[in-house]
Amino acid sequence: QITLKESGPTQVKPTQTLTLTCTFSGFSLSTSAVGVGWIRQPPGKALEWLALVYWDDDKRYSPSLKNRLTITKDTSKNQVVLTMTNMDPVDTGTYYCAHRRLCSGGSCYSDWGQGTLVTVSS
Amino acid sequence: EIVMDQSPLSLPVTPGEPASISCRSSQSLLESNGHNYLDWYLQKPGQSPQLLINLASNRAFGVPDRFSGSGSGTNFTLKISSVEAEDVGVYYCMQGQQTPHSFGQGTKLEIK
Repeated sequence: QITLKESGPTQVKPTQTLTLTCTFSGFSLSTSAVGVGWIRQPPGKALEWLALVYWDDDKRYSPSLKNRLTITKDTSKNQVVLTMTNMDPVDTGTYYCAHRRLCSGGSCYSDWGQGTLVTVSS
Repeated sequence: EIVMDQSPLSLPVTPGEPASISCRSSQSLLESNGHNYLDWYLQKPGQSPQLLINLASNRAFGVPDRFSGSGSGTNFTLKISSVEAEDVGVYYCMQGQQTPHSFGQGTKLEIK
């Protein structure tokens, strides 16, 4: 059974740095073609892709947020960490991590965490 | 970056009736291998998104066969042959052809 769970602060102040951890089980980030991504969702709004790290440590970022994001993996701990600097109230939302794997000849986000709500407020 | 555009944004449906959602991409999602890198996800109320369909037409494990995906290039469709109450939620298309991956605005399906 594959599970992912996001953890981190529920509230941060503007200009602070947010650090979120995705702890997963049931798969390994050392397996070829596997990745873990981060996707967020402002309240009542659509999903927004943020970042993705692959098994080979290839890292991809949203261009609009690239200067603020860092994604890292710790394969031995089965964790992926996302940091986002200079937080703003518009960054308020639910942050999801998701397992990316091979699906029927392509890749897909087959498993998602429950999400963690982060509020940015002074 | 590839921009995804869904329609309609709201879809009221009577149980037992069919439903259809359109998704268009700003660039072709068709690769030389013949695959279209288009996924459909459903976010039920209060839940995380779940994979419905990948590569435009392949249903994920456990997804009922009333769900079907079609299309190629820049135009894609998700169809539900006979809507059930449990199908309510927001449907998103997502392109996985290139990063940054990108989602449509979402289509909220509700029961009349």
